[in-house]
Amino acid sequence: GAVVSQHPSRVICKSGTSVKIECRSLDFQATTMFWYRQFPKQSLMLMATSNEGSKATYEQGVEKDKFLINHASLTLSTLTVTSAHPEDSSFYICSAAMGQRGYGYTFGSGTRLTVV
Amino acid sequence: GQQLNQSPQSMFIQEGEDVSMNCTSSSIFNTWLWYKQEPGEGPVLLIALYKAGELTSNGRLTAQFGITRKDSFLNISASIPSDVGIYFCAGLRDGGATNKLIFGTGTLLAVQP
Repeated sequence: GAVVSQHPSRVICKSGTSVKIECRSLDFQATTMFWYRQFPKQSLMLMATSNEGSKATYEQGVEKDKFLINHASLTLSTLTVTSAHPEDSSFYICSAAMGQRGYGYTFGSGTRLTVV
Repeated sequence: GQQLNQSPQSMFIQEGEDVSMNCTSSSIFNTWLWYKQEPGEGPVLLIALYKAGELTSNGRLTAQFGITRKDSFLNISASIPSDVGIYFCAGLRDGGATNKLIFGTGTLLAVQP
């Protein structure tokens, strides 16, 4: 089945530094990848949609200069949290779409970011 | 962002009991998906529904796509301790460039052995 690998699984960084999270589709090509943020005991909130070779589309209220997304190939998208602050601490999850009808929406295992 | 209304918010049941949860929306979706998320992990797809009225099973899990296309439910029969987790519904509207999933608010399931 389709596998999406997300790395790292956990990261602790100092306030003011930047952190990069990678999302790879291992056995399929993903023209579209999605980045979500999840706070404790809450649902997944879509941050942005990443299309290979073009600029990401950000959801309302998500700062594109803070959450930089790059989708350089059909198997890799990255999310960089720039100048991280403690309020950016959260669980970040990516998903990759193989097809249009939902069966291709495979999720990564998530990244727990803690900013100290 | 938009979310789907999911109920109940949480359930605490005994092993062996059946479980039912549902998801409602004010607008129509063309695809309904049910996911399970365990602590510290990403969601895992359980069942996908593509047609109004469709009833689909995956082992002890059964889900239905509501005839109005505005709701869906998930049943788990004879629950076991490993069913513990948060269950999310997600809706998808075809069309448009992005086909974004809209997630439900989640149902926390706890199963007592």
